[in-house]
Amino acid sequence: EDQVTQSPEALRLQEGESSSLNCSYTVSGLRGLFWYRQDPGKGPEFLFTLYSAGEEKEKERLKATLTKKESFLHITAPKPEDSATYLCAVQAAKTGNQFYFGTGTSLTVIP
Amino acid sequence: NAGVTQTPKFQVLKTGQSMTLQCAQDMNHNSMYWYRQDPGMGLRLIYYSASEGTTDKGEVPNGYNVSRLNKREFSLRLESAAPSQTSVYFCASSPRELAVETQYFGPGTRLLVL
Repeated sequence: EDQVTQSPEALRLQEGESSSLNCSYTVSGLRGLFWYRQDPGKGPEFLFTLYSAGEEKEKERLKATLTKKESFLHITAPKPEDSATYLCAVQAAKTGNQFYFGTGTSLTVIP
Repeated sequence: NAGVTQTPKFQVLKTGQSMTLQCAQDMNHNSMYWYRQDPGMGLRLIYYSASEGTTDKGEVPNGYNVSRLNKREFSLRLESAAPSQTSVYFCASSPRELAVETQYFGPGTRLLVL
């Protein structure tokens, strides 16, 4: 069964304290893995698409990496404005229009 | 360029009432999706439309119907609302130009069924 598991559920960091969020997936053929940021009361905002194991993408303080079983979202020297819920999703090759989302990691960055 | 827009932003219904959630995108995307988001469950796909004129069921379609009115608009209808349909509903669209689809989401509709 295709599924996505994110950990931890919640993470509190001091400003400047780097850390990583995990997204583990089991899917019958990965077509793509996506990271989104969601602020309270808003829709998910697209961050990254990763296509194959070994791929990395960066945007400001965020860096996403992908292996055959999991993806990491590394946050370097976070700021309070990075506080949000980060969602991971996978698109399976077998069911091309089906996307499976994790439940997210709620990140709080304390000044 | 507004991206994906949804109306209404918030709605309260009584059990058994019907309503239609509207979604429109101005990015000339081919595919459109409806999700619901519940605490601890993550986003779950209700229905999707790979192209104008086609619709398919997702993971949780029971109790819902959809219409792809044209390339821009994709509506979600609740014929007889139930308290279990209390949720936040998100519409998304994607270009469907490549095998890997990046979805862009609207701001959501918060629905409370009493």
